[in-house]
Amino acid sequence: AQTVTQSQPEMSVQEAETVTLSCTYDTSESDYYLFWYKQPPSRQMILVIRQEAYKQQNATENRFSVNFQKAAKSFSLKISDSQLGDAAMYFCAYSTGTSGTYKYIFGTGTRLKVLA
Amino acid sequence: ETGVTQSPTHLIKTRGQQVTLRCSSQSGHNTVSWYQQALGQGPQFIFQYYREEENGRGNFPPRFSGLQFPNYSSELNVNALELDDSALYLCASSAGGGSYNEQFFGPGTRLTVL
Repeated sequence: AQTVTQSQPEMSVQEAETVTLSCTYDTSESDYYLFWYKQPPSRQMILVIRQEAYKQQNATENRFSVNFQKAAKSFSLKISDSQLGDAAMYFCAYSTGTSGTYKYIFGTGTRLKVLA
Repeated sequence: ETGVTQSPTHLIKTRGQQVTLRCSSQSGHNTVSWYQQALGQGPQFIFQYYREEENGRGNFPPRFSGLQFPNYSSELNVNALELDDSALYLCASSAGGGSYNEQFFGPGTRLTVL
């Protein structure tokens, strides 16, 4: 069975600094996708960044980038130039669609605090 | 463009009762997924509907069932409620049933089972 593990329940970063959130996963599938979602306090979850497993190039979205290590089954999120608005719960997620049946697995989340 | 909406916002039920939660997908989206998020946990995938058919299911018992309507809105029904069903229920819509598509989440329905 596939699993997603986020080993950091909480992280803190100083405003304008860089922080890396960790995520590891386990799967026997070769075709899958990985995501980072952000859930601000009392607000809706939104997509931060996504990565296709067959692409070796790490995805980047403005201040957000990932370090995707397929062999190690690691998918970390780097946030550069942290801003107060980045404070939220961050969830790593895995999805696959083998034989047309889809499933999505989320990690337990990392709470990011941004210090002014 | 209208985002994903869910109703009701909050709901209190007693053990053994049945509940129906509703979700309206974002305009142009034909796929709806449902998640259960217990306090302090990540969302747990319940199931996904694509063009009115279930095309994916997580590890939830049959008392969790759903429907998708021709306008792509959806319902989640839970029978024989248990105390552990207390959680935030999230609906997410996407344009297509593929696993790569970005999911747009609603604000959730907070269900409390007493």
